[in-house]
Amino acid sequence: DAGITQSPRHKVTETGTPVTLRCHQTENHRYMYWYRQDPGHGLRLIHYSYGVKDTDKGEVSDGYSVSRSKTEDFLLTLESATSSQTSVYFCAISGQGDTQYFGPGTRLTVL
Amino acid sequence: GENVEQHPSTLSVQEGDSAVIKCTYSDSASNYFPWYKQELGKRPQLIIDIRSNVGEKKDQRIAVTLNKTAKHFSLHITETQPEDSAVYFCAASEGGSYIPTFGRGTSLIVHP
Repeated sequence: DAGITQSPRHKVTETGTPVTLRCHQTENHRYMYWYRQDPGHGLRLIHYSYGVKDTDKGEVSDGYSVSRSKTEDFLLTLESATSSQTSVYFCAISGQGDTQYFGPGTRLTVL
Repeated sequence: GENVEQHPSTLSVQEGDSAVIKCTYSDSASNYFPWYKQELGKRPQLIIDIRSNVGEKKDQRIAVTLNKTAKHFSLHITETQPEDSAVYFCAASEGGSYIPTFGRGTSLIVHP
């Protein structure tokens, strides 16, 4: 597996609380992505980054924000978690912008 | 933007049979087509990919074919084994766009 980790791996939180998920890579890859995976929907892109401080929205970005202050770290923040954001979140990295390598995932439950 | 359709959503086969999963894409500029395998509770992992200058690529029991004219590509698994049971995702992207579009996945079940 590529050098990519996610933390935490599991989290249970309550509606209305802020949540931050972290993706860390040791591959020095330029591109980083956050996806959510829900039954019947496959992988849906939330936000992505093409460099330090360079980020853009994906197809399901409402309610999420991201930051990338260093090449190796990409943070996903839910400002005020809702039950609809219960999901499995995957971070991915890519060196050339084509082949993606995924992190182990974070299972988030919002009660 | 790109749209990727993947079929079937579920595929059940007997061990030793072949399995074929098909994807169609809409953007003729797409030129990179990876396939990912996701075992239960695990991360998606690349198993094979193909670029638009190639019509077919093989790696042991798996192969991918690409028909650029018809804008579809397929994953072929021969001599299926129970450990092939997983969800398979196709994707398509245009070189330089760095944003792949994924299909919704196919759940392959291989019965011993």
